[in-house]
Amino acid sequence: SQTIHQWPATLVQPVGSPLSLECTVEGTSNPNLYWYRQAAGRGLQLLFYSVGIGQISSEVPQNLSASRPQDRQFILSSKKLLLSDSGFYLCAWSPLAGGESTDTQYFGPGTRLTVL
Amino acid sequence: LAKTTQPISMDSYEGQEVNITCSHNNIATNDYITWYQQFPSQGPRFIIQGYKTKVTNEVASLFIPADRKSSTLSLPRVSLSDTAVYYCLVGRGWGATNKLIFGTGTLLAVQP
Repeated sequence: SQTIHQWPATLVQPVGSPLSLECTVEGTSNPNLYWYRQAAGRGLQLLFYSVGIGQISSEVPQNLSASRPQDRQFILSSKKLLLSDSGFYLCAWSPLAGGESTDTQYFGPGTRLTVL
Repeated sequence: LAKTTQPISMDSYEGQEVNITCSHNNIATNDYITWYQQFPSQGPRFIIQGYKTKVTNEVASLFIPADRKSSTLSLPRVSLSDTAVYYCLVGRGWGATNKLIFGTGTLLAVQP
């Protein structure tokens, strides 16, 4: 079965510090990968998605970036965090296009980021 | 991408059937309708997906009228543990941009 991991689970960082959140997926190949952010009491905002290694699409211009160095690894980064970067970050995967499921995404446990 | 509209919140009592309706007037021909459930500090969890008519699984039922401009998630006999935010999404079929747009969802509060 497929599993998705995220770490760390919680993180407290000062303004201006760098950020690296990691997401890995097991039990599947060539997944589509996604990064979302959820502010307190709000819906999910899609930040980045990737359909393959090195292929990243950005949805919202910001000081965050994403990379996909391996097929099942997705990394969210920032060189300098802002207060507004605080939130709940979720990684998700979906089957490769053409699979049985359509637009079904499976989410990781999330990372709670607090920028002080 | 089709926009969805759903109630911000709903209240219910244990044992009742709950129906949450979602409007998606601009749904495209190859869009599917998917519902997710999210508990606090957890990622959303897939509940059910459909294209037309009725879909039922062990957790819920999804009713989609012929014009597909709305859908209703039905939760039979809810319990306290069903208190969560429920998201309705419509998404295109497979393509280069397989993206889903999550709205603010419906907060379902189940009381004893």
